[in-house]
Amino acid sequence: DGGITQSPKYLFRKEGQNVTLSCEQNLNHDAMYWYRQDPGQGLRLIYYSQIVNDFQKGDIAEGYSVSREKKESFPLTVTSAQKNPTAFYLCASGRQGVNGELFFGEGSRLTVL
Amino acid sequence: GQQLNQSPQSMFIQEGEDVSMNCTSSSIFNTWLWYKQEPGEGPVLLIALYKAGELTSNGRLTAQFGITRKDSFLNISASIPSDVGIYFCAGLVNSGYALNFGKGTSLLVTP
Repeated sequence: DGGITQSPKYLFRKEGQNVTLSCEQNLNHDAMYWYRQDPGQGLRLIYYSQIVNDFQKGDIAEGYSVSREKKESFPLTVTSAQKNPTAFYLCASGRQGVNGELFFGEGSRLTVL
Repeated sequence: GQQLNQSPQSMFIQEGEDVSMNCTSSSIFNTWLWYKQEPGEGPVLLIALYKAGELTSNGRLTAQFGITRKDSFLNISASIPSDVGIYFCAGLVNSGYALNFGKGTSLLVTP
């Protein structure tokens, strides 16, 4: 079945450690996105990519990094520079030209101990 | 990104009641969308609106794209317990940009 897969679903890390969240899609979508969700804050954009080997910062990119080496994959690294990393992270993908119609993964919940 | 003001923040209603929520912005959008998120899951698209004044239905859900292009509303008729979740509005300026999301309306429905 086509879809978008995030892993791991739950992740714990110690302060000062980097962690990478995986996002893979087999929908043949060009665009991929990472959002962060905190209670009562809605979804805030971290990074997005419209095409392989290119990506743009969103509203809250500080302390995060991404890569887009393959169309299917858009991993997010939460670095030790991110001051408040505990959150629910959502990856999404969409077709170019189909404005705003995003397909989301099930999310990854990161907890920093 | 542009700020979207979504209201109400939460609603607690009885099964069978109708629900109305809205989203406003100081900026103009060319696309308005409504998503629903259930606990522990990612949001799912409910309705997409592409023209000012457009009124679109999806089952018991009806959404409208405001004529000024700065607002949108979502109505749910005859609510049922499985309508529980967080409803997000989202706006898009143009293709090539990313969606801006509202903070969500949390809906609870009691049987």
